[in-house]
Amino acid sequence: AAGVIQSPRHLIKEKRETATLKCYPIPRHDTVYWYQQGPGQDPQFLISFYEKMQSDKGSIPDRFSAQQFSDYHSELNMSSLELGDSALYFCASSSNRPKSLNEKLFFGSGTQLSVL
Amino acid sequence: DAKTTQPPSMDCAEGRAANLPCNHSTISGNEYVYWYRQIHSQGPQYIIHGLKNNETNEMASLIITEDRKSSTLILPHATLRDTAVYYCIVRVVSVYNNNDMRFGAGTRLTVKP
Repeated sequence: AAGVIQSPRHLIKEKRETATLKCYPIPRHDTVYWYQQGPGQDPQFLISFYEKMQSDKGSIPDRFSAQQFSDYHSELNMSSLELGDSALYFCASSSNRPKSLNEKLFFGSGTQLSVL
Repeated sequence: DAKTTQPPSMDCAEGRAANLPCNHSTISGNEYVYWYRQIHSQGPQYIIHGLKNNETNEMASLIITEDRKSSTLILPHATLRDTAVYYCIVRVVSVYNNNDMRFGAGTRLTVKP
């Protein structure tokens, strides 16, 4: 079965550079979520989109932005990278409208971002 | 969202049942209990969820107490591949609230041979 695809798998950037992470949801899934997981930490919710509109916002820094496109894929744009941005970034998708009781999230394998 | 409390770590012998507790004493009537797990550095994986009744699927069973203040995830025959961090998550249901899946501190389950 098709899963959530994230690219790239690994990314190395210098401080103050920009990075773009991509997420391709499971076919027919209309909702995308982004999570950040620092070393030894639990996943932290960043932001979510439903039908190309921002649905909810978590602890996403102002330096980060994201959008969902007409084909439902999503991109997380990160500017002025800091050392503390080094983390695993997970994307998840679901097929129910956000704030739905029975919503299950399916996660991708993540993008490992290293900021040097 | 209601806060959940889980033990930081547990061990289980291979082939035995793993019983992972979760306390959610402030849960509201319209909140579901979800369980996810994360095997080292992989994306979290959905296991099961429920509201009031006990639930069972091919992966696990979920037992929710009658007052809904706590629940237990049961892996009936744990294998080494079940070694992971298990997250118990309670979700608010309201169109006005942020209720995306928020992960707290889970339980690190180690299945031993």
